[in-house]
Amino acid sequence: KQEVTQIPAALSVPEGENLVLNCSFTDSAIYNLQWFRQDPGKGLTSLLLIQSSQREQTSGRLNASLDKSSGRSTLYIAASQPGDSATYLCAVPSFNTGTASKLTFGTGTRLQVTL
Amino acid sequence: DGGITQSPKYLFRKEGQNVTLSCEQNLNHDAMYWYRQDPGQGLRLIYYSQIVNDFQKGDIAEGYSVSREKKESFPLTVTSAQKNPTAFYLCASSMPENTEAFFGQGTRLTVV
Repeated sequence: KQEVTQIPAALSVPEGENLVLNCSFTDSAIYNLQWFRQDPGKGLTSLLLIQSSQREQTSGRLNASLDKSSGRSTLYIAASQPGDSATYLCAVPSFNTGTASKLTFGTGTRLQVTL
Repeated sequence: DGGITQSPKYLFRKEGQNVTLSCEQNLNHDAMYWYRQDPGQGLRLIYYSQIVNDFQKGDIAEGYSVSREKKESFPLTVTSAQKNPTAFYLCASSMPENTEAFFGQGTRLTVV
């Protein structure tokens, strides 16, 4: 059974700092990995989807990397801003036939960026 | 705007009552999902549907029921058999496997 772990559980950094969030998974037979952002009391916003054939994916100040063989992904946030404060979740789909991709989630990293 | 709409945002349930959470999407996605989120735990899959008139149990389906009569809609009913229903419920959709999943804004259900 796939298990996803995110470390650290919480992180506080001053504004402007570059930071890295970690995600590890136990079964390397994944199709892709998705990073989400969740604000308090809100739904999930998709940040980046990185396919198993890719090593990196970038969107603005965000860069996600994927190393399937070691079961790890990192989300790099450059020049952090107070507006980046949120919980960041990673998720991988279960190896599944058919059209639905059931996601297994980590418990998230709660990020606070201070002024 | 394309997206997923969940309603209501907040819902209160009395003991022994069934309640239904709404999820509508206009993304033309085939697959839809219901997840439950509890504090300190990852999201857990309740039910999913790959196509109209078909749905499958997820990891924690007991006490829940769903229907998929239209491609756009995937309502979730929390029955009286669900002993601990207080949680944040999230609906999602995606195209065929290996593609990006999109989520609604969630419904917070509280038992009173």
